[in-house]
Amino acid sequence: AQTVTQSQPEMSVQEAETVTLSCTYDTSENNYYLFWYKQPPSRQMILVIRQEAYKQQNATENRFSVNFQKAAKSFSLKISDSQLGDTAMYFCAFTSDSGAGSYQLTFGKGTKLSVIP
Amino acid sequence: DSGVTQTPKHLITATGQRVTLRCSPRSGDLSVYWYQQSLDQGLQFLIQYYNGEERAKGNILERFSAQQFPDLHSELNLSSLELGDSALYFCASSPNTQAIYGYTFGSGTRLTVV
Repeated sequence: AQTVTQSQPEMSVQEAETVTLSCTYDTSENNYYLFWYKQPPSRQMILVIRQEAYKQQNATENRFSVNFQKAAKSFSLKISDSQLGDTAMYFCAFTSDSGAGSYQLTFGKGTKLSVIP
Repeated sequence: DSGVTQTPKHLITATGQRVTLRCSPRSGDLSVYWYQQSLDQGLQFLIQYYNGEERAKGNILERFSAQQFPDLHSELNLSSLELGDSALYFCASSPNTQAIYGYTFGSGTRLTVV
């Protein structure tokens, strides 16, 4: 079974600074997909960024970028120019074919990020 | 608005009771997924339906059941409720069984068992 580990339960960053959230995963699959989701106090789960394992290029979405290290099974999220609205729980997630072409997301336990004014 | 609708938003009930949580997927999505989010366990996958048929099962208790109807909405039934069932229950949807672009989540149902 795949597992996703986020080793930082809580982090804080000053507004306008850069912060990196860590995620590692365990899988024997070669083809898979990785995600970062954001859950603000409103509790809505929002997709932040997505990475395909067969693409070596790291994904970027505006201020959000990832550092994907396939051999190390590491998938960290970098948030640049942190804003107060970035305060949220961040979840790392993994998916691959669980059989018969069916995929489900496996989530880490999350990192609570606080952006300090 | 994500397009995935969950009702009710909040539910308070007593131990031993039964409740039904409802989910309407985003327009055009055929797969529905249910997750339980608790403080100590994070987001746990419960069950997946695709076009009316059960597709995959996760850590779903025998006291819990689900179904997806012909109009593609889904219901999660929780029975013989215990205090430990208190959690946030999320529904999510995707266009097909291959959630390679992730899910679209609803806003969740907060269940409190007293």
